[in-house]
Amino acid sequence: DIVMTQSPESLAVSLGERATINCRSSQTVLYSANNKNYLAWYQIKPGQPPKLLISWASTRESGVPDRFSGSGSGTDFTLTIGSLQAEDVAVYFCQQYIGTPLTFGGGTKVEIK
Amino acid sequence: QLQLQESGPGLVKPSETLSLTCTVSGGSVSSRSFYWGWIRQPPGKGLEWIGSIYYSGSTYNNPSLKSRVTMSVDTSKNQFSLKLSSVIATDTAVYYCARHVWSSNWYYFDFWGQGTLLTVSS
Repeated sequence: DIVMTQSPESLAVSLGERATINCRSSQTVLYSANNKNYLAWYQIKPGQPPKLLISWASTRESGVPDRFSGSGSGTDFTLTIGSLQAEDVAVYFCQQYIGTPLTFGGGTKVEIK
Repeated sequence: QLQLQESGPGLVKPSETLSLTCTVSGGSVSSRSFYWGWIRQPPGKGLEWIGSIYYSGSTYNNPSLKSRVTMSVDTSKNQFSLKLSSVIATDTAVYYCARHVWSSNWYYFDFWGQGTLLTVSS
């Protein structure tokens, strides 16, 4: 199985400041045939359904604010919240889908400092 | 807007079988572009993909759960279901159903239910 490791486990950021979440995979999730990274990011807020934020490592889903951005390739990826808003308090997960079983990171809890 | 809603007993005794149903509205489980998946999150832990099912009944189960998982789909009710047999305490988790984007392979989950907490306890 591909192991997904997120860091940090939690972080506290001031409103308006940048939040950076890292995700590392134990094997590459870059498929050389199409040069795509098979990685997604999700947001989970209490009492709400998980929300897909980003697919293919950097493609923002429709309706997701542009302060959310994904970057990275191969085995190292980053989710950046450019200017943290109060509504961004949540737990964030990465997921690889290049191999089965699909696997998720352990999650990063983002709070307001 | 697509919506998914899990339903289940909330509490299951050890060694019994857990049964959950996901009702889909605003879309069809018969869509040929998607699988329908189950994911769980034990308290304080990360997410685990349990498995996914196609409208035809084709399934993929996570090998970590071995043969304990059975999934089914009822296109007439626009629902799909999960059964997990011989449950133990570590099966206690929030169980989510989700639409699974698929194109010759399983990709990401683009719509999720709110999740339902299932506790295994005597």
